[in-house]
Amino acid sequence: GENVEQHPSTLSVQEGDSAVIKCTYSDSASNYFPWYKQELGKGPQLIIDIRSNVGEKKDQRIAVTLNKTAKHFSLHITETQPEDSAVYFCAASEGGTSYGKLTFGQGTILTVHP
Amino acid sequence: KAGVTQTPRYLIKTRGQQVTLSCSPISGHRSVSWYQQTPGQGLQFLFEYFSETQRNKGNFPGRFSGRQFSNSRSEMNVSTLELGDSALYLCASSLDYGSTDTQYFGPGTRLTVL
Repeated sequence: GENVEQHPSTLSVQEGDSAVIKCTYSDSASNYFPWYKQELGKGPQLIIDIRSNVGEKKDQRIAVTLNKTAKHFSLHITETQPEDSAVYFCAASEGGTSYGKLTFGQGTILTVHP
Repeated sequence: KAGVTQTPRYLIKTRGQQVTLSCSPISGHRSVSWYQQTPGQGLQFLFEYFSETQRNKGNFPGRFSGRQFSNSRSEMNVSTLELGDSALYLCASSLDYGSTDTQYFGPGTRLTVL
């Protein structure tokens, strides 16, 4: 089955700096890669996703890049703010009838210091 | 529009008991997935239901089961509880099965097994 590795496990940055979280996956059939943000006491919330026919996607301060050949994808957050502090998870799925079956990375605890 | 609701939010059980957790998807959503979240194993896929049928299944023992009703509401059951079943159980809903629609997560049910 699919295996997703996520690094780093913790990331501490100063407000205004950029943050980068990287994930690798094992199943070449995976073609859907969402990123979720989880705050304390809440369920994960989708912040951005990318599909295998796209190499990069951007939404304001957040961007995701995908390298299918190397089987890795990354989350980039620019101009970080204290409210960006949370746990971030990457995930992968084969798509098709398996879109509802996500394999998650272990998570990255992001702390943004004011 | 109301989000995904899960009941109860907190539950304490003892080993050997069974438990039923409930999930109400966002209105109009017909696909429901369940995940287990623990500090050690992270977020792991349990199963996905659509049209009252289990469509995908994760790697969990048969003690974990679920069902979906005609109104798309879903329940999951864990029988013969073990200490290791202590976890946050998350439900996610999406519009359809096999679609690229966002999976929206509920706040979860925190299960503690004593």
